[in-house]
Amino acid sequence: DAGVTQSPTHLIKTRGQHVTLRCSPISGHKSVSWYQQVLGQGPQFIFQYYEKEERGRGNFPDRFSARQFPNYSSELNVNALLLGDSALYLCASSLVPREGLYNEQFFGPGTRLTVL
Amino acid sequence: AQSVTQLDSHVSVSEGTPVLLRCNYSSSYSPSLFWYVQHPNKGLQLLLKYTSAATLVKGINGFEAEFKKSETSFHLTKPSAHMSDAAEYFCVVTKTSYDKVIFGPGTSLSVIP
Repeated sequence: DAGVTQSPTHLIKTRGQHVTLRCSPISGHKSVSWYQQVLGQGPQFIFQYYEKEERGRGNFPDRFSARQFPNYSSELNVNALLLGDSALYLCASSLVPREGLYNEQFFGPGTRLTVL
Repeated sequence: AQSVTQLDSHVSVSEGTPVLLRCNYSSSYSPSLFWYVQHPNKGLQLLLKYTSAATLVKGINGFEAEFKKSETSFHLTKPSAHMSDAAEYFCVVTKTSYDKVIFGPGTSLSVIP
């Protein structure tokens, strides 16, 4: 089975532009989470989606948004790009979230975004 | 609020010697704790997880970690380092599937031949 896939692998944008990153979860996984990993730091949680609804949000501005589609794939959108948005954006998928339990997250290889 | 501290930003060991990567956490409730490894240009891989069962957790590739509540620690160990262990290691804390997942800043492990 294919793992989590993300596209594109690399992206270069300029300040003020908009970007859309895409993620396809492992078959059978219904929850998708997004993380931002700045060089030299650990990943920072941005969003979790399940059943097309936002279930969790990290400390990111409203310029960051996401959505999940009926096939459970997801898009992360970032508006008005800043230099500080340059990072590796990771997508992770997991099985149906279960209250009181933790489902292992499986990570994709990421999209490297460079903002000039 | 939850937080994770990884006490060493970089650890260097010789091949065949023991590995110790330190992690301390802060949580107002009983957490779930994990170690992930990230090899260059590869995705994050789960090494092991603690979810309130046995305090000594065995993971893949010979790694293990011990949950010590009194010390709020979850250190990662391996008896004998291999060259392929060179990577970035992240300690992670969360509560449930609906809670924010908190990654530590990471420890870069170098293995000297």
